[in-house]
Amino acid sequence: DVKVTQSSRYLVKRTGEKVFLECVQDMDHENMFWYRQDPGLGLRLIYFSYDVKMKEKGDIPEGYSVSREKKERFSLILESASTNQTSMYLCASSSTYGYTFGSGTRLTVV
Amino acid sequence: GQQLNQSPQSMFIQEGEDVSMNCTSSSIFNTWLWYKQDPGEGPVLLIALYKAGELTSNGRLTAQFGITRKDSFLNISASIPSDVGIYFCAGIFSGNTGKLIFGQGTTLQVKP
Repeated sequence: DVKVTQSSRYLVKRTGEKVFLECVQDMDHENMFWYRQDPGLGLRLIYFSYDVKMKEKGDIPEGYSVSREKKERFSLILESASTNQTSMYLCASSSTYGYTFGSGTRLTVV
Repeated sequence: GQQLNQSPQSMFIQEGEDVSMNCTSSSIFNTWLWYKQDPGEGPVLLIALYKAGELTSNGRLTAQFGITRKDSFLNISASIPSDVGIYFCAGIFSGNTGKLIFGQGTTLQVKP
């Protein structure tokens, strides 16, 4: 069964901390994505990557960065977490045949 | 960024009722997708639409890709309690690298 695995289901971090959210896929997909999900706003694209070491900004990249050193792993980095980054974060990977999402990481910044 | 307008925002229905939700956009999409998200999980694909006018069914679910490629609807017939969740439309538009643009979601609650 194909999978996208996000390393943490729940995280609580302090304002100003550097936060890493990890995502791993086992499908050999080239494209990987990070979304955040907030009530009433749906899923909004933060960053995506279509190849190793390649990245592109999505609709809301401010306050975030990403890393794709290996094809199977795509990391989302919050350089200095703020309370307005409290959200559900979803990772996805895709091929021609469709998208697969991880189960999400619910991040709370206090 | 590009947006999809999804409605209604929420629905509370009786078990056995039919449900309809839709999405519109000012942009033309190559592909429309409908996802369902259960609490605490990531979205799971329900139906994918690739051609303008295409009507596709998946069990009790039916979705159509609008002729103009700017809209889509999802119908659920004879709802059951496990239909509860958030339903999202999503589109991939022409010239894109494959990134999905999502609607705001429709939260469905079903009363037994």
